[in-house]
Amino acid sequence: EPEVTQTPSHQVTQMGQEVILRCVPISNHLYFYWYRQILGQKVEFLVSFYNNEISEKSEIFDDQFSVERPDGSNFTLKIRSTKLEDSAMYFCASSRQGLAGNTIYFGEGSWLTVV
Amino acid sequence: DQQVKQNSPSLSVQEGRISILNCDYTNSMFDYFLWYKKYPAEGPTFLISISSIKDKNEDGRFTVFLNKSAKHLSLHIVPSQPGDSAVYFCAASSATSGTYKYIFGTGTRLKVLA
Repeated sequence: EPEVTQTPSHQVTQMGQEVILRCVPISNHLYFYWYRQILGQKVEFLVSFYNNEISEKSEIFDDQFSVERPDGSNFTLKIRSTKLEDSAMYFCASSRQGLAGNTIYFGEGSWLTVV
Repeated sequence: DQQVKQNSPSLSVQEGRISILNCDYTNSMFDYFLWYKKYPAEGPTFLISISSIKDKNEDGRFTVFLNKSAKHLSLHIVPSQPGDSAVYFCAASSATSGTYKYIFGTGTRLKVLA
């Protein structure tokens, strides 16, 4: 069964450093997402991406965050200058449709620890 | 943002019995709902969905019921198995609002006792 894959599974980084989290969405999906879950908290939406542009972003997704689809398969989340509060599990997801009843499928997550 | 609530943080059920996980929402614009299962340090795994035009959807051991007037949905697992022990999240979205995002509940930890 096709699945969303994410790398790295775990990354530890110094505060202020740049981090890139990588994702390979399901191949025939057109909509891509990043969510995150801070330990003990809810899964929260960060951003959705379609047709090579951001379609929606949350208030969490500030100027420190960016997303890119550098080639036909990868979808990346970049955090420009990490803060302690960026420590979380970051989930990539994808869906075939966008609005109107889209089921989103998640990857295994990338656990980011900022020290 | 408490638009989606799962008021029971945990639930224990005997193997073979029914597990009922509940979810309440406040936004009447929500029109599509998903249930996910999540193991520690893994991504959410999609279980079952329901559209607001239905009040029930069934897939094997999993059935989701939607009560729009009460803004309540529930996930029934019958029969429960030890492998079902995980955290269950409901998530809601509003396609008619033109949003792509899902709002997640806080999760209910289900423990199925052998």
